[in-house]
Amino acid sequence: AQSVSQHNHHVILSEAASLELGCNYSYGGTVNLFWYVQYPGQHLQLLLKYFSGDPLVKGIKGFEAEFIKSKFSFNLRKPSVQWSDTAEYFCAVKRGSTLGRLYFGRGTQLTVWP
Amino acid sequence: KAGVTQTPRYLIKTRGQQVTLSCSPISGHRSVSWYQQTPGQGLQFLFEYFSETQRNKGNFPGRFSGRQFSNSRSEMNVSTLELGDSALYLCASSLTASQETQYFGPGTRLLVL
Repeated sequence: AQSVSQHNHHVILSEAASLELGCNYSYGGTVNLFWYVQYPGQHLQLLLKYFSGDPLVKGIKGFEAEFIKSKFSFNLRKPSVQWSDTAEYFCAVKRGSTLGRLYFGRGTQLTVWP
Repeated sequence: KAGVTQTPRYLIKTRGQQVTLSCSPISGHRSVSWYQQTPGQGLQFLFEYFSETQRNKGNFPGRFSGRQFSNSRSEMNVSTLELGDSALYLCASSLTASQETQYFGPGTRLLVL
């Protein structure tokens, strides 16, 4: 069965600290990879996505992620976080053959202190 | 373009009742997927519709059903509600069912008493 693991349940950082959130998946075939963010009281929004090509993808608000196929990983990074980045972050994987089905990780709650 | 809309936004029901939730996708999007979000289980896939056909189904009991209309709007129905069905139900739409990004609606928060 497809599984997506997010290693950190809750991350607490001070403003200007660097961020890296881990995501690993267990499917060996072609995948599409996503990071979604859910700000307090708001709906899930796409942060960035990887379909093919350059494994380093850039998203909105200064976020980036690197797809490392050999490690089945798609870690999210940001060099300097802001208080407004406080949110829950979800990694999601879509297998090439399963059409619209997304497999989500359990989410990482990021709290940034000003 | 308007985003994905879901109605109602909040709903309170009692055990044994049934409920119907509605989702209007982004204009032009033909694929609609439904997810259940709970603190204990996270985000779990319910089903996906494309051109009025169910293309994918998650591991939920038969009490959970859905349909899609010719205008791509979708409904999901839960019959014989249980306390454990309390959750945020999210709808997502995409252009097609293949390599496309899914855009999520605000969700319907269902509380079963």
